[in-house]
Amino acid sequence: DAGVIQSPRHEVTEMGQEVTLRCKPISGHNSLFWYRQTMMRGLELLIYFNNNVPIDDSGMPEDRFSAKMPNASFSTLKIQPSEPRDSAVYFCASSSRQGQQVQYFGAGTRLSVL
Amino acid sequence: SQQGEEDPQALSIQEGENATMNCSYKTSINNLQWYRQNSGRGLVHLILIRSNEREKHSGRLRVTLDTSKKSSSLLITASRAADTASYFCATEGGSEKLVFGKGMKLTVNP
Repeated sequence: DAGVIQSPRHEVTEMGQEVTLRCKPISGHNSLFWYRQTMMRGLELLIYFNNNVPIDDSGMPEDRFSAKMPNASFSTLKIQPSEPRDSAVYFCASSSRQGQQVQYFGAGTRLSVL
Repeated sequence: SQQGEEDPQALSIQEGENATMNCSYKTSINNLQWYRQNSGRGLVHLILIRSNEREKHSGRLRVTLDTSKKSSSLLITASRAADTASYFCATEGGSEKLVFGKGMKLTVNP
């Protein structure tokens, strides 16, 4: 299995631009999580899906952030418009109930908003 | 809000020594997990201990859990330079979500 795949690995954009991060979870996993990691705030859960349905989006910072999971093998996290304070590493992770909620992380997308 | 808090925040040891990291948490849990993150990489699961377990081993890793004190420790024996990484504890309280601590940076000097 290829593991959780995220793209792009690096994204540099200018303030005000739209940014779309992509994630392909491990096949057969039914839960998908989006995290943001910064030095100041550590690892924060933004939103998670179960069976493609958003369950908890309480960590989404504001309306500029949105996430979708149109099918079991693909999810996107969109920031529109982006701001410099959005600069961070964004991780996607997936898990299965059979796996006792062990999460498997992608390599992350490093976002820099100038 | 952060659930787990690792202690110490940074640890530097020599190769071959043991490394002990502690984690404290605040609410009841189903299980507690430890993850490792190498620089520039995603987190990798190391070991899971259920709330009804007190100790668990996996290779050079030993995890203990004291639910009365709401604390856990991760011991890495005979450390290697390749163990240099950040280590996170994460708690799962029955909602599928994991709540991660801020992590602890371990440096193993060759």
